[in-house]
Amino acid sequence: EIVLTQSPGTLSLSPGERATLSCRASQSVSSSYLAWYQQKPGQAPRLLIYGASSRATGIPDRFSGSGSGTDFTLTISRLEPEDFAVYYCQQYGSSPAWTFGQGTKVEIK
Amino acid sequence: QVTLKESGPVLVKPTETLTLTCTVSGFSLSNARMGVSWIRQPPGKALEWLAHIFSNDEKSYSTSLKSRLTISKDTSKSQVVLTMTNMDPVDTATYYCARAYSRTSRAFDIWGQGTMVTVSS
Repeated sequence: EIVLTQSPGTLSLSPGERATLSCRASQSVSSSYLAWYQQKPGQAPRLLIYGASSRATGIPDRFSGSGSGTDFTLTISRLEPEDFAVYYCQQYGSSPAWTFGQGTKVEIK
Repeated sequence: QVTLKESGPVLVKPTETLTLTCTVSGFSLSNARMGVSWIRQPPGKALEWLAHIFSNDEKSYSTSLKSRLTISKDTSKSQVVLTMTNMDPVDTATYYCARAYSRTSRAFDIWGQGTMVTVSS
């Protein structure tokens, strides 16, 4: 089973700053099947990035994804007030078919 | 407009069986490019994938919960049903259903609002 480890657990930043979130897999993950989600309190997760680097419909271009193999990154170029939330990476492929990371909280410094 | 909506009991007792229903609209459960998963999230904790059903009725389950889960679908009713046996307080969580779409590389592009289930005597 592929385990996804996200770091840091919490990221304290100010609006306008750049956020870099990491997702490391215990085994190689197909780039086609690595996704990132944003979740705000009391809401369902929202798909941000799929295929490691493709933005989902309606996602602003300040969000970008990169990486391959076992190391993937979500970058938010300039934090907006609405970007403070929890972010999860997720992979699809090996059994079990889908797994999530434990999440990174981006909080206001 | 594509939507998914979860329904089921708010409270279940330990050892009981939980049955949740996901009613979808805006797409067909027979569409070969789409499938539906159940995902849960205990309060303050991370997301955990539970089970998935593909359009051809193939199923996939979480390794750790496989023995307790059954997923099924009724295409005519646009519903996906999850049963989880032998419920325990640690199963207290918000349960989501979500669509996995081949166009988004099987990422979950649309989610239901979630339904909170508490396990307590």
